[in-house]
Amino acid sequence: GNSVTQMEGPVTLSEEAFLTINCTYTATGYPSLFWYVQYPGEGLQLLLKATKADDKGSNKGFEATYRKETTSFHLEKGSVQVSDSAVYFCALTLPSGGGADGLTFGKGTHLIIQP
Amino acid sequence: EAQVTQNPRYLITVTGKKLTVTCSQNMNHEYMSWYRQDPGLGLRQIYYSMNVEVTDKGDVPEGYKVSRKEKRNFPLILESPSPNQTSLYFCASSIRSGNMNTEAFFGQGTRLTVV
Repeated sequence: GNSVTQMEGPVTLSEEAFLTINCTYTATGYPSLFWYVQYPGEGLQLLLKATKADDKGSNKGFEATYRKETTSFHLEKGSVQVSDSAVYFCALTLPSGGGADGLTFGKGTHLIIQP
Repeated sequence: EAQVTQNPRYLITVTGKKLTVTCSQNMNHEYMSWYRQDPGLGLRQIYYSMNVEVTDKGDVPEGYKVSRKEKRNFPLILESPSPNQTSLYFCASSIRSGNMNTEAFFGQGTRLTVV
């Protein structure tokens, strides 16, 4: 079946540090890939996405590149801020084929940024 | 403002007492779904609906029911709640492009405790 693997954390960094959160996937087919962010007490929000190989999604200083050869979609940011503290979820979805049609999520990475 | 609205945000109930969590979206999305979020397990899909009167099981449907009588509403029903259904629940609606969900919008979540 389809699955997404990411580091769970917590990942603790100092402000202005470089961030990488690894995400790898297995999928039967050609998925679209997403990063969602969940701030404390809130629902998930789409952070960025990529729909085909070598696409780079970017938003709010975060970037991730769809790497088909390594089945990866690592999230990066050059200089994190305290306000980036949240839980980050990597996810995939596939074209509907009659089965469950939703997002497959990783377990989430809790990111803590210290001033 | 585009949004997915869930109610209630918090609920404590007793084992066996039927309850309904409501979900409504104002974006005219065809696809809606329910997820539960548990520590160490991430988000798992409970049920989804591809359109009015079309619903299907996700990965963890046992103990839940749903209905889709109108496009905007997708309530989650627990006929006889049990303590293992204590969780954080999210409703989501999605934009579809062709046969693929391209972006999901999430409600703020319902924290359910069954005692």
